[in-house]
Amino acid sequence: QKEVEQNSGPLSVPEGAIASLNCTYSDRGSQSFFWYRQYSGKSPELIMSIYSNGDKEDGRFTAQLNKASQYVSLLIRDSQPSDSATYLCAVTANSGNTPLVFGKGTRLSVIA
Amino acid sequence: DVKVTQSSRYLVKRTGEKVFLECVQDMDHENMFWYRQDPGLGLRLIYFSYDVKMKEKGDIPEGYSVSREKKERFSLILESASTNQTSMYLCASSETFPGYNEQFFGPGTRLTVL
Repeated sequence: QKEVEQNSGPLSVPEGAIASLNCTYSDRGSQSFFWYRQYSGKSPELIMSIYSNGDKEDGRFTAQLNKASQYVSLLIRDSQPSDSATYLCAVTANSGNTPLVFGKGTRLSVIA
Repeated sequence: DVKVTQSSRYLVKRTGEKVFLECVQDMDHENMFWYRQDPGLGLRLIYFSYDVKMKEKGDIPEGYSVSREKKERFSLILESASTNQTSMYLCASSETFPGYNEQFFGPGTRLTVL
């Protein structure tokens, strides 16, 4: 059974701080990694994708991937109250029609 | 922008009714997915389809069926709705090539079965 593990939280950070969200996965053959943001009552929204080891930055978001450790993380710099949401990690093998395996999500709360 | 739409945002049905949930995507994606999401259980894959008239069971297909007669449309059918099918239902789509697997979600349908 392919698994993706996330700490459910809530993770509370003060406004302006760096929020660090972590995810581990069990399938060593995984090649594609995604972070989704989901506001309460809404559907998941893709915010980051990463495919190779290292860091990928997009605005205030940085995704980090370490395939040897089977670990992917999301850093949110200068956290804002509007970042308060549940963040879902998703992983898949590199086949075009392979479904994603989702973690259960980490709830982030940014305190003003 | 990819757009995935679902036929209803909120739906209330009675036990035993046949329920149709419709999903349409406008980006010519090959793959379409149906999930349900429940508190504490996360997203669970019900069925997916990688081509017209093709379907694959996900993790929890029992009590559900699907139909994909056209590339842009993927329907989820609850043959005889039960109270334990009360949930948020999410449709998603993705393209097969170049194989990045990015899935895009519709707004969701919150189904209540009484």
